[in-house]
Amino acid sequence: SQQGEEDPQALSIQEGENATMNCSYKTSINNLQWYRQNSGRGLVHLILIRSNEREKHSGRLRVTLDTSKKSSSLLITASRAADTASYFCATIYNQGGKLIFGQGTELSVKP
Amino acid sequence: EAGVTQFPSHSVIEKGQTVTLRCDPISGHDNLYWYRRVMGKEIKFLLHFVKESKQDESGMPNNRFLAERTGGTYSTLKVQPAELEDSGVYFCASSLRDYQTRSTDTQYFGPGTRLTVL
Repeated sequence: SQQGEEDPQALSIQEGENATMNCSYKTSINNLQWYRQNSGRGLVHLILIRSNEREKHSGRLRVTLDTSKKSSSLLITASRAADTASYFCATIYNQGGKLIFGQGTELSVKP
Repeated sequence: EAGVTQFPSHSVIEKGQTVTLRCDPISGHDNLYWYRRVMGKEIKFLLHFVKESKQDESGMPNNRFLAERTGGTYSTLKVQPAELEDSGVYFCASSLRDYQTRSTDTQYFGPGTRLTVL
């Protein structure tokens, strides 16, 4: 993989539960981003966390970043069926350059 | 403000045929990127334009792929001749160019073109 590993590869939970997805990366970064892809649709930018930040919140999303371990986690609280999607972390290879994506986590939220 | 648009949304062609994908970035975005997701695998970078210039085309798989961005607005990605392994979803993204920090950060993605080569 260009990026590293994301785990789990697939996650199935009940509506209302929390979902946690993890991502590891290989290179030093300026920031790390999380994206969501709903089936048959494009990628939606969820949240960006910079390398000097350790935690960031956006609505029901909470992202953490541990640069010493080169890892990040995305927590979705109080999940909904509409959260069912593929979730990807991505880093920028260099400023202004390409995004390097993780392999993604397929999240299924059952009503 | 309109987002990134891509055309067509789906394309089914036979091996050996030619297909041209189009991407219209957000107005005013200098950066335009092409990515591909094959068979449910990870999303991989293909190339990056800054205005009409190719900044990085290291991800282009082979010379059957040709990308252009004449005039620095919309971009096309032509696959000629198409092979079975070219099947996948092709995403286009655009972002602003921050002239102060040279950091473009958020890339906004289009809905993708699903290409099926039979």
